[in-house]
Formats: sequence, C-alpha cells, structure tokens
Amino acid sequence: EIVMTQSPAILSVSPGERATLSCRASQSVSSSLGWYQQKPGQAPRLLIYGASTRATGIPARFSGSGSGTDFTLTISSLQSEDFAVYYCQQYKNWPYTFGQGTKLEI
Amino acid sequence: QVQLQQSGSGLVKPSQTLSLTCDISGDSVSSISASWNWIRQSPTRGLEWLGRAYHRSKWYIDYAPSVENRITIIPDISKNQFSLHLNSVTPEDTAVYYCAREVISVAAAGTDYWGQGTLVTVSS
Repeated sequence: EIVMTQSPAILSVSPGERATLSCRASQSVSSSLGWYQQKPGQAPRLLIYGASTRATGIPARFSGSGSGTDFTLTISSLQSEDFAVYYCQQYKNWPYTFGQGTKLEI
Repeated sequence: QVQLQQSGSGLVKPSQTLSLTCDISGDSVSSISASWNWIRQSPTRGLEWLGRAYHRSKWYIDYAPSVENRITIIPDISKNQFSLHLNSVTPEDTAVYYCAREVISVAAAGTDYWGQGTLVTVSS
C-alpha cells in the first residue's frame, strides 16, 4: 500500500496570502494524484487531478504541481472560503490512499 | 448533473452487518468511464478507501485489504445503485461512510461526485 504523507499538519496564513501544501508518496505514483478540499460536515471536493489539472469549476488560484513522489498544492491568494482541510490522494495503485490532511487556518 | 443519494442504517450492533445503498442519478452504474466507490472517514483512521465496482464488458470489484474478508459491494443495474455490506462490525468501524464516483476517461479523472455521507455508529 502506498503511504501518502502531507506537511505541514496545520498551516496558519492570512487572507490574501499564498499557501503552499506538500504531499509525498512512499513510492512513485507518476501523475496519478488528486487534491481535495473538505469543510466541516461536507464530503471532500475534488480540486485537482492528474497532479496539475483543475477540476471543473475550480478557481484558477488553485494550482498543483509535481510528479513521481513529491507534489505541491498552491493557493495563490487565500479567500475566506479556502480555509478548510486539504487531502492528497493517489490513484496509481489499488488500494487508493489519502494523506492525513493539512488544515489551513486563519 | 450527477447525484449520489445514500440510505441505510446509522446504528449497527457489534458483530452485525452494516448495509448502505447509493442511488445514482445523472449517470449509470454500468458506465464504462466510471467506477463506483465506498470510502469512510473516522478521526482515528482518516479517509479510507474500502472498495469499488466498475463495468468493462464484465463486472470488476476490488476491496481494500483492510476489510476484504468482511466486505461485499453489489452493483444493481436495474435500480441504478450500488450497495455496501460490511459484516462482523466492531466499534472501530464507526465512521462517516461515503459513496463516490471516480471518473476514468481521456478527458478527466478523479473522484468528482460524492454522496452526502452517512454516520454509522457501531454500538450495542
């Protein structure tokens, strides 16, 4: 099973600032990597697939990069609605696995 | 617009079977460009993929090793739904359970539609 490790666990930033979240896989997942946003009481929401492609309706301030084992999610200018928990997830190998999440807080 | 609607019991006794159903609208359980998944989330285990079903000229069903001895996923074309059955539950199976669609195509990927989630508590 591929282990996904996210850092940091908690990231404190101010609205308007840039946020950079990291995700590392225990073995190569090529570009089979997604990023999700989850708010309290809601299901995860797909932001990025293929490591760098925004899902339908996702604002351009969200961008993803990386391949192999190291990945980054960048939010260029934080809006109030962006404060949430973010998860990376690999879909290269079964079983698919998630990271433990990064909480983005004000 | 795809919608996934979950139903099933939110309280299950230890050693019994947890059963949930996910009704699909806006897509087909037999779609060749999707898989249909069950995922759960708990404070102790985080987000955990349990299993999936998909149709590619025949049905394929995959289970996570952590639950493979206890889980059954059943797709139903006539009702356009799929169900989860997890037997011999313990309090460690207490979690929010989600059904979800994974799209698999040249143009898109990722798990893009989710059910509303069902909190299942295992308790006597």
